[in-house]
This record gives sequence, structure tokens and C-alpha cells, in this order.
Amino acid sequence: DTGVSQDPRHKITKRGQNVTFRCDPISEHNRLYWYRQTLGQGPEFLTYFQNEAQLEKSRLLSDRFSAERPKGSFSTLEIQRTEQGDSAMYLCASSGPTGDLFGYTFGSGTRLTVV
Amino acid sequence: QKEVEQNSGPLSVPEGAIASLNCTYSDRGSQSFFWYRQYSGKSPELIMFIYSNGDKEDGRFTAQLNKASQYVSLLIRDSQPSDSATYLCARERGEGGGNKLTFGTGTQLKVEL
Repeated sequence: DTGVSQDPRHKITKRGQNVTFRCDPISEHNRLYWYRQTLGQGPEFLTYFQNEAQLEKSRLLSDRFSAERPKGSFSTLEIQRTEQGDSAMYLCASSGPTGDLFGYTFGSGTRLTVV
Repeated sequence: QKEVEQNSGPLSVPEGAIASLNCTYSDRGSQSFFWYRQYSGKSPELIMFIYSNGDKEDGRFTAQLNKASQYVSLLIRDSQPSDSATYLCARERGEGGGNKLTFGTGTQLKVEL
């Protein structure tokens, strides 16, 4: 396990459809984060998990967004009734216990295009 | 006022020169600061982090932190064309919100031959 894996790498969907992204963190990392990045902007925090518990959600995470991390392993991010404004790169990151900041590793991201 | 501010650039420097990238932040509760490099279409890659006032050096990179002035910088010595990328500054507050990072918008660096 050499890094954080995200699937799919690219997703094109029609407005109104639901999409789901998957993130597999580095196996020994107990914290998992989702960020969203639009063109010309830095990544924006969406939510994070410690093990299976979702401990914080950004106000950016509207009711159409839901994230899960069953059993504290992989995580999924679902967007329901997609809108064109949801088009962005969705980044997942993982880290070890508090203080292990150097282990904050991003996956390759899922680029979502809503048409 | 944005929590983390960066000049979007582009910052152009000749090959071999020193590139200086700057970042300011508004929250005095910020504890740790990070510099990420991001190539176009790729995910961010951590270069350095710093949490103490002063300088921290790693190879060609030096991070500088001045908490009194709420200022962080990244110096890249002997800039190479491969350094051309967007550099993201981020801060971590260090409270109970995990290692959540707040990013700036990034500065685009172009190293010219």
C-alpha cells in the first residue's frame, strides 16, 4: 500500500444524476479527509473521519452530499442530484494519529464534470 | 478577509534564481503551516511544514515563519524548470478539529530557461 487511492479518476455525469466516489486511505492511517478544489482555488475542507466516526462537516457539505467510512477503512462520498456547481476535483487525504502531520497524503483525486 | 492569502501570480524567475513565495494568515490561533506543490491536473504534494518561528531548511527549500507578523514564506534556491507549479500555503489550527487544513488560493511559479 503505497498511497491514497481514489476511484474513479474522472467522472462525467448529467445534471440531476447521483455520483459516488471511493477513497482507500493508507492502511495504518486512522484519519481520512475529503476536500474539494475548483479551478484557481485551493482545496476546501469538506469533512473528516477518525476511524469510522465522522467528526466534522463543513458548511460546504450541503444536504445533497453524504460521506461514509464503514468499519474505518475506505470511505465513499456521494453527491445526489448533481448540479453544475459541483464540478470540481474531489480530493481525499489520510493521516496518522494527532501530531503525524507529515503523513498528510492526498490521493490523485476524482475530477467531476457535471454537464 | 480570507484566512490564508497568497498572491496568485504568476511569479516568473529565471532558472538558477531564488523564488520567494509569500503567504499571510489572519487567525492567530494557527499553529502549523504547510507548503504544497501542485502540478496542473495533479493533486497537492507536501513540500514542507513549519510550526516554530524562524527558518526551516530542507534541501533547496527554506520555509520561514513569523507569527508576530502572521507571515509564512517559502524560498526555493537554484530554481529549476521542474519547479514550475502552483504552490499552496495551508495552515492547521491545532484544535480538536483533527488535522484540518485551510488553504490559500496558491501562487503560480514559472521558472524560465
